[in-house]
Amino acid sequence: GENVEQHPSTLSVQEGDSAVIKCTYSDSASNYFPWYKQELGKGPQLIIDIRSNVGEKKDQRIAVTLNKTAKHFSLHITETQPEDSAVYFCAAPRMDSSYKLIFGSGTRLLVRP
Amino acid sequence: DGGITQSPKYLFRKEGQNVTLSCEQNLNHDAMYWYRQDPGQGLRLIYYSQIVNDFQKGDIAEGYSVSREKKESFPLTVTSAQKNPTAFYLCASSRGQGGDEQFFGPGTRLTVL
Repeated sequence: GENVEQHPSTLSVQEGDSAVIKCTYSDSASNYFPWYKQELGKGPQLIIDIRSNVGEKKDQRIAVTLNKTAKHFSLHITETQPEDSAVYFCAAPRMDSSYKLIFGSGTRLLVRP
Repeated sequence: DGGITQSPKYLFRKEGQNVTLSCEQNLNHDAMYWYRQDPGQGLRLIYYSQIVNDFQKGDIAEGYSVSREKKESFPLTVTSAQKNPTAFYLCASSRGQGGDEQFFGPGTRLTVL
């Protein structure tokens, strides 16, 4: 069945270092890959997304890369700050209807001051 | 100020009782979703609605019910048939087209006493 696998489940970095979270998906027809950030006790918020016609997208300290051949996409956060500490989720469209998403299991990022 | 709201933020329920969680959006979105989030897990889809007066079961619909009588409202009822209802419940909405961002509400934490 369709699946989105996310690794690692937890990640601890020193402030200023980079953090990378990776997701793999199963449906080769998928064409939209969002990343959400969820702070404690709040709903997830979209931080960046990428569509299948590009291989990389950047927004200040955040970037997402997509490898369609290998069916994986990654979130890169550079110059991490304590406020980056949160749970991050990747997602991909479901096979039965592209407006619905299937989510990865989440990565808890801790940025140590 | 557009957005999606959920109420209440915290809800306590005795075993055997039904309880209804509210979700309202003023984004003029056609599609709405309910997710369940358990610790260490991703978001699992309970129900979704692509248009008013229509809704479909998601991956874990047993023990839940919904209605979509108005475009802006998508309440979720957790029935006594749900064996393990304690969780964080998230409502989301989108335009209902492939590749659209899903906007999330702040969530409702349900605890069964």
